[in-house]
Amino acid sequence: DAKTTQPNSMESNEEEPVHLPCNHSTISGTDYIHWYRQLPSQGPEYVIHGLTSNVNNRMASLAIAEDRKSSTLILHRATLRDAAVYYCILSPQDFGNEKLTFGTGTRLTIIP
Amino acid sequence: DAGVIQSPRHEVTEMGQEVTLRCKPISGHDYLFWYRQTMMRGLELLIYFNNNVPIDDSGMPEDRFSAKMPNASFSTLKIQPSEPRDSAVYFCASSLYGAHYEQYFGPGTRLTVT
Repeated sequence: DAKTTQPNSMESNEEEPVHLPCNHSTISGTDYIHWYRQLPSQGPEYVIHGLTSNVNNRMASLAIAEDRKSSTLILHRATLRDAAVYYCILSPQDFGNEKLTFGTGTRLTIIP
Repeated sequence: DAGVIQSPRHEVTEMGQEVTLRCKPISGHDYLFWYRQTMMRGLELLIYFNNNVPIDDSGMPEDRFSAKMPNASFSTLKIQPSEPRDSAVYFCASSLYGAHYEQYFGPGTRLTVT
């Protein structure tokens, strides 16, 4: 399975944008890029996913490089509630293979 | 919808005892996933079901673990006999169309085996 590489930790100031990078140089043409986050003492929470084009939703934006070998999760205005571990995950578009393999993620700290 | 419901939220048991964890997925979701999270191994997929049928149980650590889904609204994960190394947080998640779409996670069951 294609793997992702993320920084172990990042810090950002409250009310500023946050750019969380993810490298996936071995991504295949049909792999989806997913982002989940896990707040302290909670289960993971879906953030966003995409295939080729940039995606926006109420929580965040996902910017996907043209060669798809990297992506960036953008939180437009960080709040204290955004402090969490953020996971970048690839999932193959194979029906019958429905696994999401979580890595170690990036621990995001928000500074008041 | 109330989201994915798991019970109990906390379980403390002695080594050798049987433990049963329960999960109610979101109504209408066809996929159900069981995960385990520890500090050492992170978040691991144990097994998943599609329309109540187990599809992939390759993540189940050993025969002491078993999972069932008797109907679309209920699933159990059983450990018999339990061991201290089974101590972890167990999450259940459900999805409408599969892992390629949004998975909704429950709050988890924190299991401690002494």
